[in-house]
Amino acid sequence: DSGVTQTPKHLITATGQRVTLRCSPRSGDLSVYWYQQSLDQGLQFLIQYYNGEERAKGNILERFSAQQFPDLHSELNLSSLELGDSALYFCASSETSGSPGEQFFGPGTRLTVL
Amino acid sequence: AQSVTQLGSHVSVSEGALVLLRCNYSSSVPPYLFWYVQYPNQGLQLLLKYTSAATLVKGINGFEAEFKKSETSFHLTKPSAHMSDAAEYFCAVRPGNTGKLIFGQGTTLQVKP
Repeated sequence: DSGVTQTPKHLITATGQRVTLRCSPRSGDLSVYWYQQSLDQGLQFLIQYYNGEERAKGNILERFSAQQFPDLHSELNLSSLELGDSALYFCASSETSGSPGEQFFGPGTRLTVL
Repeated sequence: AQSVTQLGSHVSVSEGALVLLRCNYSSSVPPYLFWYVQYPNQGLQLLLKYTSAATLVKGINGFEAEFKKSETSFHLTKPSAHMSDAAEYFCAVRPGNTGKLIFGQGTTLQVKP
């Protein structure tokens, strides 16, 4: 158990819908990262937040957005869903932002878009 | 842009045999390098990391990796495979001071009895 929790574990929805994925980082970790794992694209970095502020952006679609709240949990919002958005979405956390410290990964949320 | 290439999407070894998973990176400066393991239906777990302290890095579960700047490689090895090592392995690079990880495509390790 990494200490990072993600809810829900599974999510099945239809095209055009909007969903919210939630992540709670390890106690004391200020940085949260979101990654997408799909068969087509592999594991891709989406976005990073550090203590409530957006720190880095990767291959995140405009239909996707994220935020980190004062209690440090984070939410990833996916809207106007398409079949290709079906993937495993991981959240990871670390103590700091730029140091080579370990990122601890949650178990992921499996999103299926029908 | 920095990238990571893992040679071989599937590697099969017999139990007790040497495990060698290959990773090459592209970077103009020495990066931070990582190996992660993903068991079925689980998240990623860090095996080991290179942060420029020592070129031979020892990790968990008997794995180690050697950073070779001249070859831009960071191959993962284990002297003797166990059935429990069957999983998917990812090499990743963290460029400079950014927090993001850039992953390779992954290598699925099969261990045959």
